[in-house]
Amino acid sequence: EVQLLESGGGLVQPGGSLRLSCAASGFTFSSYAMSWVRQAPGKGLEWVSAISGSGGSTYYADSVKGRFTISRDNSKNTLYLQMNSLRAEDTAVYYCAKDHNPWRVQGVGYDYWGQGTLVTVSS
Amino acid sequence: DIQMTQSPSSLSASVGDRVTITCQASQDISNYLNWYQQKPGKAPKLLIYDASNLETGVPSRFSGSGSGTDFTFTISSLQPEDIATYYCQQYDNLFTFGPGTKVDIK
Repeated sequence: EVQLLESGGGLVQPGGSLRLSCAASGFTFSSYAMSWVRQAPGKGLEWVSAISGSGGSTYYADSVKGRFTISRDNSKNTLYLQMNSLRAEDTAVYYCAKDHNPWRVQGVGYDYWGQGTLVTVSS
Repeated sequence: DIQMTQSPSSLSASVGDRVTITCQASQDISNYLNWYQQKPGKAPKLLIYDASNLETGVPSRFSGSGSGTDFTFTISSLQPEDIATYYCQQYDNLFTFGPGTKVDIK
């Protein structure tokens, strides 16, 4: 059974940093691109970042480029999102998501999602 | 960047009704489009991939069609458990979600 378990969310002041983790199980982690998708309170879904299965290719939304860094440790089956220079508008539930197809560098969409972790940026 | 629009933004229909949601891309995305269902407090669920393919385990009352810039998502017979917000998502160039369509029971 595929499972994705996010952790690391919490309350942080504007300008602060936070690192999210997503522990994956139930599939060959290194074969799949992974993404982070966020949802601000009462708002729609926003794609944040994606990483290829090998970790060699990374992609970012313009809204987070230069502030967030996605990475993965395939030996630990874990996906990360390092978030720096956080702003109030980064407040959201952050989901990690597994790509639908293996071996696609950028990815094609998500067949499994974690339960989400809430990040609140406020003073 | 590719922009996605959806209409309507919300709708109310009776059980058994046919429900149709449209999604439009700002440029040609071929069939690189998915549809997701999200219930309150839950993670999204993939329903349709590549514009018209039903994800495994998803009821056949859900369907999708379209290519290029115009896409349609249909629930053939609305059920109470279909109350949710539905999102389209393009993956032709990175990823973009539509703004969502909230579906309620009348």
